[in-house]
Amino acid sequence: GNSVTQMEGPVTLSEEAFLTINCTYTATGYPSLFWYVQYPGEGLQLLLKATKADDKGSNKGFEATYRKETTSFHLEKGSVQVSDSAVYFCALSGGSNYKLTFGKGTLLTVNP
Amino acid sequence: GAGVSQTPSNKVTEKGKYVELRCDPISGHTALYWYRQSLGQGPEFLIYFQGTGAADDSGLPNDRFFAVRPEGSVSTLKIQRTERGDSAVYLCASSFQSGGPGDTQYFGPGTRLTVL
Repeated sequence: GNSVTQMEGPVTLSEEAFLTINCTYTATGYPSLFWYVQYPGEGLQLLLKATKADDKGSNKGFEATYRKETTSFHLEKGSVQVSDSAVYFCALSGGSNYKLTFGKGTLLTVNP
Repeated sequence: GAGVSQTPSNKVTEKGKYVELRCDPISGHTALYWYRQSLGQGPEFLIYFQGTGAADDSGLPNDRFFAVRPEGSVSTLKIQRTERGDSAVYLCASSFQSGGPGDTQYFGPGTRLTVL
């Protein structure tokens, strides 16, 4: 079956540091890949997505590239802000009903 | 426009009781999903509706769990004879379902269920 493995947290960075959160997946066929973010006290919201190999998703300074050869979708940001503090979830969907399979989440804390 | 709404936001019940959790999806979205998120974990799929029918209920943990969507809009997740292990945040999501796995699912704020 489908599965997602993402970097264990928590991750603590200083403002303006570089961020990488690793995500690898196992899936049959050609899944779509997502990063969702959950800010404190809020619901899950889509951060970015990529639907085919070599696509790059980007939003709010975050980027992730769909790498089929390494089955990875690592999240990066060049300079994090305090407001980026949140839990980040990597997810995939594929097959006929498009249900999402999530990783366990990575808690990011950015200090001023 | 309005997003996905879920009620109640919190529900505390006693072991053995029956509970209903409601989801109101974004207007016009034909696909609706229920997920369950335990503490420190990612959401796990429970059931998927396309219109009024449950297209995939393979994630429901046992026959105490049931969900309906009678008119293709609002959905209700029903849990009978609740157990302490059912305590979690129950999330609902909807999507337009244009036909591809890249469809974005929009999540509600969740219902936090606590079984004492």
